Amino acid sequence: EVQLWESGGGLVQPGGSLRLSCAASGFTFNSYAMSWVRQAPGKGLEWVSVIYSGGISTYYADSVKGRFTISRDNSKNTLYLQMNSLRAEDTAVYYCAKDRGHYDSATYEHVLGFDYWGQGTLVTVSS
Amino acid sequence: QSALTQPRSVSGSPGQSVTISCTGTSSDVGGYNYVSWYQHHPGKAPKVMIYDVSKRPSGVPDRFSGSKSGNTASLTISGLQAEDEADYYCSSYAGSYTFVLFGGGTKLTVL
Repeated sequence: EVQLWESGGGLVQPGGSLRLSCAASGFTFNSYAMSWVRQAPGKGLEWVSVIYSGGISTYYADSVKGRFTISRDNSKNTLYLQMNSLRAEDTAVYYCAKDRGHYDSATYEHVLGFDYWGQGTLVTVSS
Repeated sequence: QSALTQPRSVSGSPGQSVTISCTGTSSDVGGYNYVSWYQHHPGKAPKVMIYDVSKRPSGVPDRFSGSKSGNTASLTISGLQAEDEADYYCSSYAGSYTFVLFGGGTKLTVL
């Protein structure tokens, strides 16, 4: 059974930093891309970042580019999100999500999509 | 404002059918057959109910179905049951720069 468990959320002041972790089990962690997705209070979901299986290729939403860093430790089956220069608008529940590993048959392009999610960890940025 | 547009809420009585729409553009919903629908009970992990517009993961009841026409995708839940009451989110692949977009979510109430 695939399980994803986020931790590390909490209350932080504007301008502060926080590191989230996501412990994974039940699948071959080092074979799949992993993402962070967030949901601000009363808002919809927003994709934040993705890291591919080898840990080298990473991409970010414009809203967090330059402030957040995604990483992974395949030996520990753990995904991380280092969040710096936090702003009030970063307040959200942060979910880690496993990529389903699909490639388009015509273009061979990787299609980012999620088949399993964690329950989320709440990050509150406030003074 | 979310990238994909969903109704804020829908409702139906047990046994009835409801349809939730998800409207995007030709750069996302209309451009790819990679629309997914997630069911989210607050405090729990979101669960994928439909992927690739109309495919159901194993274990998802066939009461859940998906379709797409142009830039609008739809999730239909037939034979509504009390446990279907949840928030539903659509998502669409949007290319190798934007990656993935989500809707704002629809709260389904089973009356």
